[in-house]
Amino acid sequence: DTAVSQTPKYLVTQMGNDKSIKCEQNLGHDTMYWYKQDSKKFLKIMFSYNNKELIINETVPNRFSPKSPDKAHLNLHINSLELGDSAVYFCASGRKGHTEAFFGQGTRLTVV
Amino acid sequence: AQSVTQLGSHVSVSEGALVLLRCNYSSSVPPYLFWYVQYPNQGLQLLLKYTTGATLVKGINGFEAEFKKSETSFHLTKPSAHMSDAAEYFCAVSDSDDMRFGAGTRLTVKP
Repeated sequence: DTAVSQTPKYLVTQMGNDKSIKCEQNLGHDTMYWYKQDSKKFLKIMFSYNNKELIINETVPNRFSPKSPDKAHLNLHINSLELGDSAVYFCASGRKGHTEAFFGQGTRLTVV
Repeated sequence: AQSVTQLGSHVSVSEGALVLLRCNYSSSVPPYLFWYVQYPNQGLQLLLKYTTGATLVKGINGFEAEFKKSETSFHLTKPSAHMSDAAEYFCAVSDSDDMRFGAGTRLTVKP
């Protein structure tokens, strides 16, 4: 039973396209996150949601829009994809208040 | 604002040697600290965590870390490296809303 699952695992698309990455967690957590990992392995938080409400929105282009239909899901929609968006995107979940985050396997996005 | 700094982007040790990966934190409140490991093409897996209580924390795969408030450090150690330990290691600090990661340290284990 996968705790945090992301789809797709790989995504190759052309510049200018719009794409979505889905994330679901079955751990009963109330907080979900999106992280971006660049080619140098640096992990940067993009968004944090608690009980479907946006808590953190780091300096991320507004082409990136998270959507949380319920506590178990946090999807990431990206408009007008650019070459610089190529990265691995990780979804994670946890409980509010200092607990560890559980990560999905990542989605490798390649924009060509 | 909380943050962590990992000293050394790349550490190389021989199999059987001591592993020491360094992490220093900055936090305005008592920190909650974590070490994660990432194997190639995989997500992050929790190795260990410090919340409160005992400052020496033991984790999976023989790793441990010691929280030293006076040094604002949370270094990760393993007495004897194994080839399977080769991976990327991340130190992280958490407050109630999010988790911030260090830049990562790539551990290479030589036969």
